[in-house]
Amino acid sequence: KAGVTQTPRYLIKTRGQQVTLSCSPISGHRSVSWYQQTPGQGLQFLFEYFSETQRNKGNFPGRFSGRQFSNSRSEMNVSTLELGDSALYLCASSPTELETQYFGPGTRLLVL
Amino acid sequence: GQQLNQSPQSMFIQEGEDVSMNCTSSSIFNTWLWYKQDPGEGPVLLIALYKAGELTSNGRLTAQFGITRKDSFLNISASIPSDVGIYFCAGQDSWGKLQFGAGTQVVVTP
Repeated sequence: KAGVTQTPRYLIKTRGQQVTLSCSPISGHRSVSWYQQTPGQGLQFLFEYFSETQRNKGNFPGRFSGRQFSNSRSEMNVSTLELGDSALYLCASSPTELETQYFGPGTRLLVL
Repeated sequence: GQQLNQSPQSMFIQEGEDVSMNCTSSSIFNTWLWYKQDPGEGPVLLIALYKAGELTSNGRLTAQFGITRKDSFLNISASIPSDVGIYFCAGQDSWGKLQFGAGTQVVVTP
């Protein structure tokens, strides 16, 4: 089975812009979770989607949003980018929201 | 920020030595997971633990789910150069959400 794929792998944006990241889960997995990883804060949970519905949300501002499509693919959007949004954004998939999560390679976002 | 206490923060060991790291939490978890992350890549699942008291091995790796459900440890036996990386513990709560430790950086010298 192919693993979790994320596109793009690298992205450079400027402050105030918006960005959309994409995640394709492992085939058959219906739950997709997003995490932000920074040197200072480590790995932090953003949100989780299952069957196109957001089931869990972390403590991030409303500028961070996401959605999931009927084929379980998910997108994450960050609007009005700030310098502090520079991070590795990781997507993880699992068959259901309560099962073991498998991570993709991440999207490295740099905000200038 | 992190809610799991993972230690040690880093380890410098010689090839062939054993490695131990652990994670503690103030919260109870249903599942404990151990991941390894190489630079520029996503975390790769090493071991998943589903029951309190469970001891699970995966090759040279052994992990245990603490009986209180608030802690876990990971042992690596006879370390080799490719064991270099950052090891993360993660607790999965009843909603399926993962909370991560800050990571243990392992450096293996020949």
